[in-house]
Amino acid sequence: KAGVTQTPRYLIKTRGQQVTLSCSPISGHRSVSWYQQTPGQGLQFLFEYFSETQRNKGNFPGRFSGRQFSNSRSEMNVSTLELGDSALYLCASSSSGTGLNTGELFFGEGSRLTVL
Amino acid sequence: ILNVEQSPQSLHVQEGDSTNFTCSFPSSNFYALHWYRWETAKSPEALFVMTLNGDEKKKGRISATLNTKEGYSYLYIKGSQPEDSATYLCASVTGGGNKLTFGTGTQLKVEL
Repeated sequence: KAGVTQTPRYLIKTRGQQVTLSCSPISGHRSVSWYQQTPGQGLQFLFEYFSETQRNKGNFPGRFSGRQFSNSRSEMNVSTLELGDSALYLCASSSSGTGLNTGELFFGEGSRLTVL
Repeated sequence: ILNVEQSPQSLHVQEGDSTNFTCSFPSSNFYALHWYRWETAKSPEALFVMTLNGDEKKKGRISATLNTKEGYSYLYIKGSQPEDSATYLCASVTGGGNKLTFGTGTQLKVEL
């Protein structure tokens, strides 16, 4: 069974640009959530999607957005990049349909974004 | 407790030692507590998802307990091995069950 796949794995952007990251969940998983990891902050929750609906959102500015497609693949977009957006972005999928309270997360390897 | 807090921040033990870490979380509106192991250059890997007060879970040499009334969970590793070296993260489920708040982790180093 294929794991969670994230693309691209590494990317470098400059301030002001925008970026789109992709996440393909484990087959059959309909919940996808996104996290930002920075050295000082640890893993921060960005948002969670289930069946194309955003069910919850973390405390990030509106420059951070996401969506989920009918095949459960998800994308997140960051517009007007800032230096502080440099981070590892992880996505995770779960088989739980009732929320993150019952299903463990399966993480991808992440997309490492560097903003210059 | 407003956030998820983990202690200690880092820990060095000798091979064969037993060790434990603490995760403190808001006890109100509790849904579940997750534990993950995150090895360098790998993805976080689930250890346990705990939902019931007094719950205890075990996987090999690793076990965890949960106290939802007072808002804490302990993770125990018995007979630590070098391959146990990793960052151990806990996360509390909030937001109606659809939001995970992670602690900053306990970094464990097991030395020969």
